[in-house]
Amino acid sequence: DVKVTQSSRYLVKRTGEKVFLECVQDMDHENMFWYRQDPGLGLRLIYFSYDVKMKEKGDIPEGYSVSREKKERFSLILESASTNQTSMYLCASSSYSVEQYFGPGTRLTVT
Amino acid sequence: ELKVEQNPLFLSMQEGKNYTIYCNYSTTSDRLYWYRQDPGKSLESLFVLLSNGAVKQEGRLMASLDTKARLSTLHITAAVHDLSATYFCAVDERSNQGGKLIFGQGTELSVKP
Repeated sequence: DVKVTQSSRYLVKRTGEKVFLECVQDMDHENMFWYRQDPGLGLRLIYFSYDVKMKEKGDIPEGYSVSREKKERFSLILESASTNQTSMYLCASSSYSVEQYFGPGTRLTVT
Repeated sequence: ELKVEQNPLFLSMQEGKNYTIYCNYSTTSDRLYWYRQDPGKSLESLFVLLSNGAVKQEGRLMASLDTKARLSTLHITAAVHDLSATYFCAVDERSNQGGKLIFGQGTELSVKP
């Protein structure tokens, strides 16, 4: 079974803090993705990566950065967290052009 | 720019009834995915539709794809309470890097006794 894990299920941070969200997949997938999910807005792609050290901006990259130093790990970084980044963050992975497998999600609250 | 629209966005059904969720998309693609999300949980893959005319069935759910009409449907037969969840369709944008999906807004389904 494909397994995608995320470092935290719930996280509370203060405005201005640097936040790291970690995602690990165990299926040797090439592609990895970070989404945020907000009520009424569905899933929105923040960044994705199709290879180690490669990254592409998604639809809403502002305020975020990513790192992929190893194939199995994809990190999302909030350089200076703001309250409008309070959301559910979902990581996913896939092999080329097939279905994405999602992690359990991290519910981030920025106060 | 690829857009994906689902309707309805909210659906309240009685147990035993049938209904269809529609997923329309704006540009050519022949790969479409349906996911289910339970409250507070992540997304679970339901169906992968990879060609025009593809039909997949699992239990009371059946999904189909018409690439010419740019339409997929998720049909629910004789709904039961356990089907209450949010359902998302997602279309493969077919970018060169592969695998980038554009999601619909989701359809929140509530099945009542």
